[in-house]
Amino acid sequence: SQTIHQWPATLVQPVGSPLSLECTVEGTSNPNLYWYRQAAGRGLQLLFYSVGIGQISSEVPQNLSASRPQDRQFILSSKKLLLSDSGFYLCAWSDLWGEPTNEKLFFGSGTQLSVL
Amino acid sequence: SQKIEQNSEALNIQEGKTATLTCNYTNYSPAYLQWYRQDPGRGPVFLLLIRENEKEKRKERLKVTFDTTLKQSLFHITASQPADSATYLCASHTTGFQKLVFGTGTRLLVSP
Repeated sequence: SQTIHQWPATLVQPVGSPLSLECTVEGTSNPNLYWYRQAAGRGLQLLFYSVGIGQISSEVPQNLSASRPQDRQFILSSKKLLLSDSGFYLCAWSDLWGEPTNEKLFFGSGTQLSVL
Repeated sequence: SQKIEQNSEALNIQEGKTATLTCNYTNYSPAYLQWYRQDPGRGPVFLLLIRENEKEKRKERLKVTFDTTLKQSLFHITASQPADSATYLCASHTTGFQKLVFGTGTRLLVSP
């Protein structure tokens, strides 16, 4: 069966420090991968998605970046964190081997990032 | 712009009653809508998907409807239980695909 791992679960970082969040998926190949952010009391905001190795689409231009060095690995990074980067970060995967209208997302357990 | 909107106010109901949550979409016609459940501090979990040509979809105590005239989906939980307390999110792909957009979610509180 497929599983998704996301770490760390909690992170407290000072303003201006770098960030690296990692997500890996097991039990499937060539998944679509996504990074979402959820600010307190707000909805899920799509940050990046990837349909293959090295292919990254950005939805929100800011100081965050994403990379997909391997088929089932997705990394969210920042060189210098801002206070506004605080939030709940979620990685998700989906596959399109079935009909596109069957696509649903499977989420990781999330990383709560506090930038102080 | 394409939007999915949910009532941001929490819904409080008594155990055993039917909970009904609403999802409205504007400025596009999604081919389908999805519903997810999210518990505090956890990632959303997929519950149901309903296509535009389906009026209703059921799964155990859950029922989802899709009204393309009203541009609305309703999510029902019958015989609700305290364990159903969570935030429920609706979602759909925007035109252009590969981008699943979520509503802000509605928090459901079921009291014993």
